[in-house]
Order: sequence, then structure tokens, then C-alpha cells
Amino acid sequence: GIQVEQSPPDLILQEGANSTLRCNFSDSVNNLQWFHQNPWGQLINLFYIPSGTKQNGRLSATTVATERYSLLYISSSQTTDSGVYFCAGLDSSYKLIFGSGTRLLVRP
Amino acid sequence: KAGVTQTPRYLIKTRGQQVTLSCSPISGHRSVSWYQQTPGQGLQFLFEYFSETQRNKGNFPGRFSGRQFSNSRSEMNVSTLELGDSALYLCASSRWSRSGGNNEQFFGPGTRLTVL
Repeated sequence: GIQVEQSPPDLILQEGANSTLRCNFSDSVNNLQWFHQNPWGQLINLFYIPSGTKQNGRLSATTVATERYSLLYISSSQTTDSGVYFCAGLDSSYKLIFGSGTRLLVRP
Repeated sequence: KAGVTQTPRYLIKTRGQQVTLSCSPISGHRSVSWYQQTPGQGLQFLFEYFSETQRNKGNFPGRFSGRQFSNSRSEMNVSTLELGDSALYLCASSRWSRSGGNNEQFFGPGTRLTVL
């Protein structure tokens, strides 16, 4: 099955800094998604981005399906951005395969 | 539009007991999936249902089972609980289409199960 790798595993930023999170996948995936897991455990949808670029406020994402990677950009980070960010891709068996996550801490 | 709901939110059980978790998908969504999250194993796929049929199952023992009802609501059951079953159980729903255009998955708040 496909494998999804995320980097970096941990990231500490000062408030106001920018960051880039990366997601590599081993095979073709459909329906690449980015999530933010809040402190209570809920996965919040950030982007549904099989290919191309999308932007939502301070966040944007780019997926280059032919090269099997996706990037999540966070600009002007805020303390509320802290948490764990996951990327996941749907394989051919309808399974959403998750990366191991990037744990982000934004300091005031 | 209401999101995915899961009940109960928290559950404490003892080893050997069984447990049933419930998930109500977003209205109009026919695909429901279940995932287990533990600190050591991360997020792992349990099973996926579409139109009351299990389409795929993850690598979990037979103690883990599920079903989907005609209104797309789903339940999962874990029998003979073990300490290692302590986890956050997440349910996701999607509208699903073969062409791929409606396969964005939306997650519920999860059920946190503690086995003592």
C-alpha cells in the first residue's frame, strides 16, 4: 500500500514566522487532504487538494501529484496555529492513509 | 449543515467487556469510515462502509466489527476489550463518487475509550 511521510516531525516557531510543511507519498493517491488536529482530538479539514494550489487566509497548499508531494504553507503564524498537522491520501481501497504528522508549537 | 457526530464522547471500560460506538454522518454522505488513533501507532484505518456494505477492512483482529444502517449511520463494536484498545476512535464521512470529485472526508469529534 501507499506510504505517506511528513516532515519535519516537530517545528517550533515564534509568532509571526512563516513555515512550510511537506508531505511525500510513495504512490499515486487520490484526494490528498490536510488536517489540523485540535487539542481535543478533532481533525479539522484544512484543504482538499488532489492537485494544484489553494489558499485560505494565512494558509495555502500545493500538491504536485506527478512528483508525489504536497506542501502546506503557514504565514504569519499565531499561537492558535499550534497543534498537529496531518496529510492523508485516499488509496484505491477507500482507505485514508495518514502521515505521522508535524507537531507545531508557536510561541508568543 | 450539521457535522459528523459521534457518541459517546468518552468511555471507560474494563478488560473483557465489550463496547459499541456510534457515528452519524453528514446528511447526504453515504460512506462512513472508522479510524483508531494511538500515540504509538498513529492514525490507522479500521473499516469503511458504503450503502450498508463493508468495502474494506484494516489490519485489526476480528474483535473489531462494524455495521452501517440504511440511514448511513454506523456503529462499531469491540468485544473482549484489551488494555491496548485504549485509543481515540474517529469516524469520517464522505459523499463519495467513483470519479473522485466528492471524496473529501470529514471527521467527527471522536470517542475516547479508556480500558482499565
